[in-house]
Amino acid sequence: SQQGEEDPQALSIQEGENATMNCSYKTSINNLQWYRQNSGRGLVHLILIRSNEREKHSGRLRVTLDTSKKSSSLLITASRAADTASYFCAADQGGSEKLVFGKGTKLTVNP
Amino acid sequence: KAGVTQTPRYLIKTRGQQVTLSCSPISGHRSVSWYQQTPGQGLQFLFEYFSETQRNKGNFPGRFSGRQFSNSRSEMNVSTLELGDSALYLCASSWVAGSSYEQYFGPGTRLTVT
Repeated sequence: SQQGEEDPQALSIQEGENATMNCSYKTSINNLQWYRQNSGRGLVHLILIRSNEREKHSGRLRVTLDTSKKSSSLLITASRAADTASYFCAADQGGSEKLVFGKGTKLTVNP
Repeated sequence: KAGVTQTPRYLIKTRGQQVTLSCSPISGHRSVSWYQQTPGQGLQFLFEYFSETQRNKGNFPGRFSGRQFSNSRSEMNVSTLELGDSALYLCASSWVAGSSYEQYFGPGTRLTVT
């Protein structure tokens, strides 16, 4: 079952602009993780935010988590063409199922 | 340190056959998880192994099975292949069991069933 639902499904921006992707989930979580996938390849872990955290930064990435709204956002600042990829949020429900992924946001950064 | 490796990278099988995919985790990682990725269903959890024991299993039929060896390498097997099994199969490893830490993913095995 899909836990995370990313919004938008696709996003196209110019280099240098900021990109914001949103994720909503359905049940309580231990943590929420964001991953990047380049064109049908393996996923690369970007950042993990725990349920008791509200905001986290890593380089050009900023993630927020609002557990009351069951939502998270990923902000990529000063985007580059190399950021072109699909971005997935993954919820750790802490139960019998492992990470539950959303369907992803396909980001295109035009040079 | 070498990353997660998966073999083979590409595979074409016909309906009714069976297939075995292999995953070698990062050295020192003892947890290996498998995911199936399709355009329609997205990424879905198959199972997780830790210290040769299956800890968790996703909602897949019994045709999907796996195992883990003492060196933490893992294999997954799909018997009686169906067209719908065509997918990218991803393996991920981590230091410990559970999802409190980031998963390190391999490049995947692209399985096509004809």
